[in-house]
Formats: sequence, structure tokens, C-alpha cells
Amino acid sequence: EDQVTQSPEALRLQEGESSSLNCSYTVSGLRGLFWYRQDPGKGPEFLFTLYSAGEEKEKERLKATLTKKESFLHITAPKPEDSATYLCAVQAMNYGGATNKLIFGTGTLLAVQP
Amino acid sequence: DAGVTQSPTHLIKTRGQHVTLRCSPISGHKSVSWYQQVLGQGPQFIFQYYEKEERGRGNFPDRFSARQFPNYSSELNVNALLLGDSALYLCASSRAGEPQHFGDGTRLSIL
Repeated sequence: EDQVTQSPEALRLQEGESSSLNCSYTVSGLRGLFWYRQDPGKGPEFLFTLYSAGEEKEKERLKATLTKKESFLHITAPKPEDSATYLCAVQAMNYGGATNKLIFGTGTLLAVQP
Repeated sequence: DAGVTQSPTHLIKTRGQHVTLRCSPISGHKSVSWYQQVLGQGPQFIFQYYEKEERGRGNFPDRFSARQFPNYSSELNVNALLLGDSALYLCASSRAGEPQHFGDGTRLSIL
């Protein structure tokens, strides 16, 4: 069964204190791994897609990396506005016509204090 | 460009009632998917529609149904509401082969 596990569940950082969020996955044929950011009362906001092991993507203070078993979201010198829940999701090749089906983890709640 | 829009934003229903939620995708997006997000959990896949045809269905009972219209907008219908149906219902749209973009959802509360 396809599965996504995120850790830690919650993370509190001081402004400027860099850290990483982990996403471990089990999927029968990875089509893509996605990172989203979700603010309270809002829908998930797309951040990155990674397709193959070794791939890296960057956007401002965020950098996503991918191996065959997990993905990391590195946050460099975070600011309070980076506070949100970060969701990881996988898309498998064996979902038939459901090409958009995403399996999500439960997310990491990040709080960055000034 | 306008993002994915969903209506209503909030809804309160009682057990046994039915509900219809609506979604307008981003212009040019032909694929619409629905997800259910229970508090503290990640979104769970319900349906995908592409060009008005159902392309996939998650592990949800037959009380859940959906359709897509010629303008690519979509409706999610839930019959015989249960307390456990209380959740944030998210709609996402995309072009073929591109990442999905989500709306801000409909918060459904069942009393």
C-alpha cells in the first residue's frame, strides 16, 4: 500500500535557525513527489515537484531533495512568515486513469519565532 | 489570473441531509480533483474528473458523487450526511501532466 510519513509532526524554530523536514514514502512506481504549504484556513499552495532520485529544487529559503526512499525540505534562515504546515504527497504510476491522485502525509507544522 | 474558486466557504448541515459543493477551476485547466481533509490530517483523494469523465475514485462510499460540466467546473455531492463527513473539502485543478493547484476549500460541519 502506498504510504507517506512526515516527521517531525511539529517543529519550532527561532528566526534564522535552519532545519529540515522529512518525508518518507513507499510507493509502487513513483510518478512524482510534491511539496505543498498550507496556511490555517487555506488550501495547500504548490511549492515543488520532484521526479527522480538526486533531483533538487530551490525557491527562496526552501530547498527540496529526493532519494529513492525519502525527500527533505530544507529551510535556510527561516523567517516568521515561513510558519505553516508543510505537506508532502506522492503520485504513483499505477493509479490507472487517476493520473492526479495524490497520497498525502499528515504534514509538519512549522512555527518560526522572531 | 483567478485561482481555483470554491463555494460556499462554510456550510452547516444536520445528519441525514445532502450537500452540493461547487468548484471553478483555473482557466485552461481541464482536470478537477476533490479531496477531503479532516482536521490534523493530510487531504484524502475522493475523485478525479477529466473532460467530464470520472478518471478515478478514492475509498469513499457511494454517498459521495461528483460530476464535471462542459465549462470544466465541478460539483461534489454527498448524501445522507454523517457526523464523520465534517471536514474541509478541497478542489484542485490542473493541466495534463502539471501539478495540481488547490482552492481554499469548503468547511462542512455536520450537527
